[in-house]
Amino acid sequence: EAQVTQNPRYLITVTGKKLTVTCSQNMNHEYMSWYRQDPGLGLRQIYYSMNVEVTDKGDVPEGYKVSRKEKRNFPLILESPSPNQTSLYFCASSPLGLAAFNEQFFGPGTRLTVL
Amino acid sequence: GNSVTQMEGPVTLSEEAFLTINCTYTATGYPSLFWYVQYPGEGLQLLLKATKADDKGSNKGFEATYRKETTSFHLEKGSVQVSDSAVYFCALSRSGGGADGLTFGKGTHLIIQP
Repeated sequence: EAQVTQNPRYLITVTGKKLTVTCSQNMNHEYMSWYRQDPGLGLRQIYYSMNVEVTDKGDVPEGYKVSRKEKRNFPLILESPSPNQTSLYFCASSPLGLAAFNEQFFGPGTRLTVL
Repeated sequence: GNSVTQMEGPVTLSEEAFLTINCTYTATGYPSLFWYVQYPGEGLQLLLKATKADDKGSNKGFEATYRKETTSFHLEKGSVQVSDSAVYFCALSRSGGGADGLTFGKGTHLIIQP
């Protein structure tokens, strides 16, 4: 089944404890992206990647890191999480490098709480 | 910069009612426009899209027309069902100039009552 998977689905952590949220897609997509969803703000892009070893900042990159060592994986790293990073996180992928015309396929989401 | 404005709701309708969710946008260039739907506890799914002015996207009885003159992409459905209860996001694409991805509206929570 073609899908985007994220792990973990739920995570409660404490301020300053490094964490990684994994994202993997099995559709051979070039483009991958991370969004966060907050009440009243909709979804905002954190980082995106047009291909392996190519990553760029989105609208709200502060406090996050990403890497794209393999085409299928795009982990989101929080080096020192803070309570304002409590949010619902979505990973997405798209077939071609330019997402402008293409559907993005979303993962099921990771609900992160930072105490 | 790019932005999307949509009614936030919640919007509550009875089954078989006519639905309109307004969406207007501000963008440079010629973006593609999308409606995504999020059912409870799930990720977003593409509902429909339009890539140029006057295009009409349609799916599952939903329609939206890309109106460049009014910078709008309103979502409509003639007769809603309880199963349409979800959050609906209007979005536009942005590409080039060092940015690529979707700009989303804040989402409209739709509740359909039997």
